[in-house]
Parts: sequence; structure tokens; C-alpha cells
Amino acid sequence: EAGVAQSPRYKIIEKRQSVAFWCNPISGHATLYWYQQILGQGPKLLIQFQNNGVVDDSQLPKDRFSAERLKGVDSTLKIQPAKLEDSAVYLCASSLARDRAQFFGPGTRLTVL
Amino acid sequence: QQQVKQSPQSLIVQKGGISIINCAYENTAFDYFPWYQQFPGKGPALLIAIRPDVSEKKEGRFTISFNKSAKQFSLHIMDSQPGDSATYFCAARVGGGADGLTFGKGTHLIIQP
Repeated sequence: EAGVAQSPRYKIIEKRQSVAFWCNPISGHATLYWYQQILGQGPKLLIQFQNNGVVDDSQLPKDRFSAERLKGVDSTLKIQPAKLEDSAVYLCASSLARDRAQFFGPGTRLTVL
Repeated sequence: QQQVKQSPQSLIVQKGGISIINCAYENTAFDYFPWYQQFPGKGPALLIAIRPDVSEKKEGRFTISFNKSAKQFSLHIMDSQPGDSATYFCAARVGGGADGLTFGKGTHLIIQP
């Protein structure tokens, strides 16, 4: 069974530029999560989708971050404009349903200069 | 406010020894406690998980001990091997709709040959 796919794996941008990350969850997984992992810390939830609807985006900095999952499968996370403190690994995870185990992708490492 | 406190921050264990990592939580609404293992450049991988109605769960060399009254849980790695060298994260989740994980800060484990 294929795991969670993410691209790109690495991205370097200047501050104030925009960037987008893509995630393809495990086939059949209805629930999708985006986490931010700053170096030396545990992942922090940004947003949770159930199919194509948002369940929780309470920790998403909505002035600069946005995410969508239009067809209930793939998802994109966008940052516009980026700040230095956005440098982190952005992890996508999926689960078969709510209250089920979450499986993580390899992440996208973002460096903002 | 850090809802899941993890210790120690780093740990060195001799090959064949027992590695012990501890976590404490505050939110009594948490009802699921997974442990994740993360290697450099990879996403977190689910290792083992427990629910609060069980005091211990064992899978191979990995055991979770759970103390509901003390709001603490721990990971024991028996017969630790150099391949176990990684960063370990405890996490917790509130049951119901919004079930994003709250992670500890991680423990960097080194198993010396």
C-alpha cells in the first residue's frame, strides 16, 4: 500500500514570496491533516479535513496560510506571504476516518531567507 | 500552554539496555495516546498506541505503560538496538470530531553499540 505522498520535498524562498505544498493521502483515507514541525519540536496541527470539509483550522494563521481539499482527495497548503518564522517541515498525515491511526508523509522542508 | 510534557529531551542507552521515555498530560479529555518514531529527513512513523482503559500494551520490544490517575504514560524499549536511534514523540488526542494530535517536544535517543 502506498503511503502519503508530498511534494516538493524541499523549497527555499525569500521572505514575502508565496509557496504551495501538495499532499496525496493514502487511498481511501477520508481524513487529512497538515502539521507544522519547527526544528527541535514536535509537529503542531494546522488544519484537519474530513473529505473536502474543514473540521479544525483553529491553529492555522489565516492571514497568510490557506489550505484546500477540493475533491476530497489531494490537498494543497499555501503560504502567502512567507515570513522567516515559517521555516519548518510541513507534514501531511491521513487516516481512514476520524479517531483512527494517523499516517504521516515525508514532509516538505521549507526554508525562508 | 504545553499540553503534553515529554522527558528526557535526550537519552543515551547502551545496546541491549532498556530505554524509557516519559510523558505527562493535563487535558483529561485525551482518549488516545500514540508514540511516533522519526528518523532524520523522514516523517513520523506510528510505533504503538494505547487508550486509557488499558494500563499496559506491548508490541514486540516496545511497551507503553499508562497511569490514568497520575496522567502519565511512558514508552519502554527493551533490548535497545543501534537501529532504534531516532527521535521519539509522544502524542495525545481528544476523541470526537476534531482529533488532531498534540505532540510532546520529542526525545532524541542514541543507542551506543
